[in-house]
Amino acid sequence: SQQGEEDPQALSIQEGENATMNCSYKTSINNLQWYRQNSGRGLVHLILIRSNEREKHSGRLRVTLDTSKKSSSLLITASRAADTASYFCARSDMRFGAGTRLTVKP
Amino acid sequence: GAVVSQHPSWVICKSGTSVKIECRSLDFQATTMFWYRQFPKQSLMLMATSNEGSKATYEQGVEKDKFLINHASLTLSTLTVTSAHPEDSSFYICSARKLDSYNEQFFGPGTRLTVL
Repeated sequence: SQQGEEDPQALSIQEGENATMNCSYKTSINNLQWYRQNSGRGLVHLILIRSNEREKHSGRLRVTLDTSKKSSSLLITASRAADTASYFCARSDMRFGAGTRLTVKP
Repeated sequence: GAVVSQHPSWVICKSGTSVKIECRSLDFQATTMFWYRQFPKQSLMLMATSNEGSKATYEQGVEKDKFLINHASLTLSTLTVTSAHPEDSSFYICSARKLDSYNEQFFGPGTRLTVL
């Protein structure tokens, strides 16, 4: 990936469970964005978190940012089968991490 | 609002031909657009940053003469894959930066290129 790593690479959980994905980066950022991509489709913007923010919520999504550790996490609570997708983080210079392929089993 | 379109959505061409992909911001102006390529089950790789009225900035390892980018207006950027070969087959995605305090990006639906 271009200066960003995510873990895990793949995550499989049962419906109703929480899913946590992590993203690390190497250089300073102004903001970090999380995206979702269904197989073979375009990207959907989920959340943008700025460098002076530590946590942000949107519905069942919670994003945290730790600039001292150069890392961010995306938490999806009470997952649904429809959450099955790949999730990517992108730095403010729009370089993407490797992504996490999430599978939510019904 | 903030819709980005790409045309075509898919294209199949013969090896050696050139293919043009358009990226349009439909309801906002974008001075900066980004072009990515994505191989199956992989992440998006930034190819180039396209600035309206100036030359594109290419990422290391991306051939400028192979992937021609033209950002002719505040709502249109084009990527031309010249003399396409089978290894150029990929999913090409563009994004447009909306000028606001959040600096948010909006992505097109992607173009799947298959070179025979």
